[in-house]
Amino acid sequence: GIQVEQSPPDLILQEGANSTLRCNFSDSVNNLQWFHQNPWGQLINLFYIPSGTKQNGRLSATTVATERYSLLYISSSQTTDSGVYFCAVRDNYGQNFVFGPGTRLSVLP
Amino acid sequence: EAQVTQNPRYLITVTGKKLTVTCSQNMNHEYMSWYRQDPGLGLRQIYYSMNVEVTDKGDVPEGYKVSRKEKRNFPLILESPSPNQTSLYFCASSLLATSSAEAFFGQGTRLTVV
Repeated sequence: GIQVEQSPPDLILQEGANSTLRCNFSDSVNNLQWFHQNPWGQLINLFYIPSGTKQNGRLSATTVATERYSLLYISSSQTTDSGVYFCAVRDNYGQNFVFGPGTRLSVLP
Repeated sequence: EAQVTQNPRYLITVTGKKLTVTCSQNMNHEYMSWYRQDPGLGLRQIYYSMNVEVTDKGDVPEGYKVSRKEKRNFPLILESPSPNQTSLYFCASSLLATSSAEAFFGQGTRLTVV
């Protein structure tokens, strides 16, 4: 099955700094999503981005499907950005989501 | 507002006492599924449903039941909960069960079985 890797596993930033999170996947996909899991456990949809680039405020994402990776950019980080960021891809049958292990982000005031 | 709603958000129960976690979506989605999230193991699929009256096992179905009698609802049933089912549970839905369909997740249900 599809393998999903994320890097770095942990990231500590000072408030205001920028960061780039990476997601690599082992096979071609038609769906890639980024999620933020906040400290209360909720999974927040950030981007649906099977290819191309999207921006939403301070966050943007780029997926290069032909090279099997996606990047999530966080600019001017805030303490509320803390949590775990997951990328997930859908298997080719559409029956299951495969999640990466996540990047745990801590933004310090 | 388009959403997937799970209830309850938090639940503490005792071993062996049957419980149901409800999941409802208002987007007329055909596909729904349940996941559990455990430290070090990530999110794993329990069951999924491609449409009404069509359900199938995911990666970790033991100890769980589901039903899909109507399109909007997909309850997760624990007939005899055990402590190893203590976990964070998520329900998800998408318009279709295709490889390109965007998935929407509920807020999560934190279950503790003592």
